[in-house]
Amino acid sequence: GAVVSQHPSWVICKSGTSVKIECRSLDFQATTMFWYRQFPKQSLMLMATSNEGSKATYEQGVEKDKFLINHASLTLSTLTVTSAHPEDSSFYICRPSRLAGTDTQYFGPGTRLTVL
Amino acid sequence: GNSVTQMEGPVTLSEEAFLTINCTYTATGYPSLFWYVQYPGEGLQLLLKATKADDKGSNKGFEATYRKETTSFHLEKGSVQVSDSAVYFCALSRDGGSQGNLIFGKGTKLSVKP
Repeated sequence: GAVVSQHPSWVICKSGTSVKIECRSLDFQATTMFWYRQFPKQSLMLMATSNEGSKATYEQGVEKDKFLINHASLTLSTLTVTSAHPEDSSFYICRPSRLAGTDTQYFGPGTRLTVL
Repeated sequence: GNSVTQMEGPVTLSEEAFLTINCTYTATGYPSLFWYVQYPGEGLQLLLKATKADDKGSNKGFEATYRKETTSFHLEKGSVQVSDSAVYFCALSRDGGSQGNLIFGKGTKLSVKP
């Protein structure tokens, strides 16, 4: 069964609204969470990295006030797209990570966001 | 900087055909290299990996060899099946390990026809 879930799997919203995406690691505790964004026919691009209980570290060019990341527990992280615009339409994927040294990697199934 | 370039798809093959998906990389130091697969409606899954030059990763009939001299990590399978239809991503680890950040290629969609 799936070890990482994302909710919702797809969402359509109006421009100017905010959307929250949840990522849950079901079978393990994620000390680190990576959030990626994937545009059509493009690579997965890292947006930010967060450690449980700490503020997220954002990649260059990613607006931290627009993409709010919360990693309050070892099994749940959320990404909130605030005041969404059509250019934010993308596929968002989380990747919870365990302690270094473990080999298995897990990705969420992704959330398709469409902003009208 | 670090980057990954892989062949654009889609790639359409008949069952039992030979598959090659090219992947080349640019990186400082000695990255680890990975192939991920994403089946429809599912998350990315690690398919295989190699951590040093000349290593060969293999899984489910797929193979890829870490070629430092050509900075390549091409994915191959001798006889594809319909169930191999998916999107394949080549990636490298910027931090050198499997739990660090990953830099991905754009993905190659493979469709295998019966």
